[in-house]
Amino acid sequence: QLQLQESGPGLVKPSETLSLTCTVSGGSISSSSYYWGWIRQPPGKGLEWIGSIYYSGSTYYNPSLKSRVTISVDTSKNQFSLKLSSVTAADTAVYYCARQQLGHAFDIWGQGTMVTVSS
Amino acid sequence: QSVLTQPPSVSAAPGQKVTISCSGSSSNIGNNYVSWYQQLPGTAPKLLIYDNNKRPSGIPDRFSGSKSGTSATLGITGLQTGDEADYYCGTWDSSLSAKVFGGGTKLTVL
Repeated sequence: QLQLQESGPGLVKPSETLSLTCTVSGGSISSSSYYWGWIRQPPGKGLEWIGSIYYSGSTYYNPSLKSRVTISVDTSKNQFSLKLSSVTAADTAVYYCARQQLGHAFDIWGQGTMVTVSS
Repeated sequence: QSVLTQPPSVSAAPGQKVTISCSGSSSNIGNNYVSWYQQLPGTAPKLLIYDNNKRPSGIPDRFSGSKSGTSATLGITGLQTGDEADYYCGTWDSSLSAKVFGGGTKLTVL
């Protein structure tokens, strides 16, 4: 069945760029029925949507993060990626990638990866 | 401060029924589909309900969703200790142009 796996550095320095990749296995990222999204969860807190991308490359972002976020897709590798620039300690969180239905529900999630912003 | 308001915690005894509310506005719940997620300790969220009241394959019918106006409700019957988790509602907010989540509700099965 479809699985998603996040990968990337677990530690990022303040002011630098956080980069994560989500690898999709057991299915194609090029499905016309889904978007692919990033969600994060600071320790002990709730969920925050970061942004989503369609296989064509069409994106939409959380306005609160839009100036710092770039999401891209590589259909040849069945991957999509997140870049978050100028990070601060407030960006410390577990970052999840997920498959998103057209009605906005996230139906399949990766296991999540903890990213700590610290010098 | 979340756009969607959930009670911080609810509790009930095994075998009983519990409901979790999610309150919003016309720009989110009132005019968009609601989804519900279960997050067991230390794990990723899991989709329980989508499009207000639909269950993904494999989700038992003990879990149900409903929506009325600008509020949504998750119902869980036949509570089990394994249902102890955080539960989140989510939807699209047309004014914010953003996917939004509630603050989460911790369910304790006494």
